[in-house]
Amino acid sequence: AQSVAQPEDQVNVAEGNPLTVKCTYSVSGNPYLFWYVQYPNRGLQFLLKYITGDNLVKGSYGFEAEFNKSQTSFHLKKPSALVSDSALYFCAVRAPNNAGNMLTFGGGTRLMVKP
Amino acid sequence: DAGVIQSPRHEVTEMGQEVTLRCKPISGHDYLFWYRQTMMRGLELLIYFNNNVPIDDSGMPEDRFSAKMPNASFSTLKIQPSEPRDSAVYFCAILVGAGSTGELFFGEGSRLTVL
Repeated sequence: AQSVAQPEDQVNVAEGNPLTVKCTYSVSGNPYLFWYVQYPNRGLQFLLKYITGDNLVKGSYGFEAEFNKSQTSFHLKKPSALVSDSALYFCAVRAPNNAGNMLTFGGGTRLMVKP
Repeated sequence: DAGVIQSPRHEVTEMGQEVTLRCKPISGHDYLFWYRQTMMRGLELLIYFNNNVPIDDSGMPEDRFSAKMPNASFSTLKIQPSEPRDSAVYFCAILVGAGSTGELFFGEGSRLTVL
């Protein structure tokens, strides 16, 4: 079984400040981890993924995420938030032996960046 | 996003009516997924196809829901009869990249309102 938890329904941050959106996972074996962003009335857009290698993964729009195996976490980060980053963020996990290549998504975290 | 075209973008119908949602993915991708998004339940996987064959429909809520994929470039999700609790945004997604390490590419969604 595979599962993802996003403990915060909403994260508020001031523009220019660093942001972190938290994600923890549960999966058998080494996980494949993903972050997606959803803007209002749009589909989910892929931001970045961790498959193997360097624990720090860089993605679109200046976002990065750090894989921490001991803490089973994959937090999304950005050094300096923009108002335009305000959106809904989803973490997702897939086990390597998942026959259907299915992703399991977290419940989502709404990021609000205030000017 | 040109990779997955969904129609209609918005549908308002009355309880008891038949609803058909359409998805046109870029051909050549082996996996296609249908998701449903609501405020209460978040993002739910309804069904997925591999090489046009339905593999896992355990997420389909009831027999009122059915999905088909007659060819690699077209899939439908049908609800008959529709009920108010079916109101949601329905997403179609394809798997992009190499199998278990690939990411999902989502369409813009079909927003369904059942009165």
